[in-house]
Amino acid sequence: DGGITQSPKYLFRKEGQNVTLSCEQNLNHDAMYWYRQDPGQGLRLIYYSQIVNDFQKGDIAEGYSVSREKKESFPLTVTSAQKNPTAFYLCASSLQGAGGNTIYFGEGSWLTVV
Amino acid sequence: GENVEQHPSTLSVQEGDSAVIKCTYSDSASNYFPWYKQELGKGPQLIIDIRSNVGEKKDQRIAVTLNKTAKHFSLHITETQPEDSAVYFCAASKQTGFQKLVFGTGTRLLVSP
Repeated sequence: DGGITQSPKYLFRKEGQNVTLSCEQNLNHDAMYWYRQDPGQGLRLIYYSQIVNDFQKGDIAEGYSVSREKKESFPLTVTSAQKNPTAFYLCASSLQGAGGNTIYFGEGSWLTVV
Repeated sequence: GENVEQHPSTLSVQEGDSAVIKCTYSDSASNYFPWYKQELGKGPQLIIDIRSNVGEKKDQRIAVTLNKTAKHFSLHITETQPEDSAVYFCAASKQTGFQKLVFGTGTRLLVSP
């Protein structure tokens, strides 16, 4: 089946640790995105990539890093510099990065700091 | 930048009733308005979208209306069913340039049998 796969579903991070969330898509989409979701708030854009080997900061990029070495993969690293990382993280993709293209979401990853 | 406000934050209806969720946006250049449904613990799914060249779009029990002059758009669900219970998000973006969706804060819809 075509879609977006995020892993792991649940992840626990100790203080001072970096963790990486995986996102893979087999939709042959050029554009990929990472959003963060907190209770009572809308989705906020962390990073996006319109094409392989290129990515841009979104609205809340501090404390996060990404890479886009392959078209189908867009991993997100939550670094120790992110002071409040506990949240629900959503990976998404669209055929192109241009406006008006439908954005499809993965099932999300829960990150908790312990 | 764009700002999207969504109301109400929670909405409780009886099965069979209609539900209406409203959003306003600030950037008059925005012209693409999708609606997403998110079930507990899952990613959002697109349920309907509208572009600025139309004022209304329907898909079975779901409809969206757009008033560009007033800069607001609404989601209408008729004959609600318990499986409609979820969080609904509106969003706005421009159709030119990079696809940067700005989301509303969500509406939790509860449909009681």
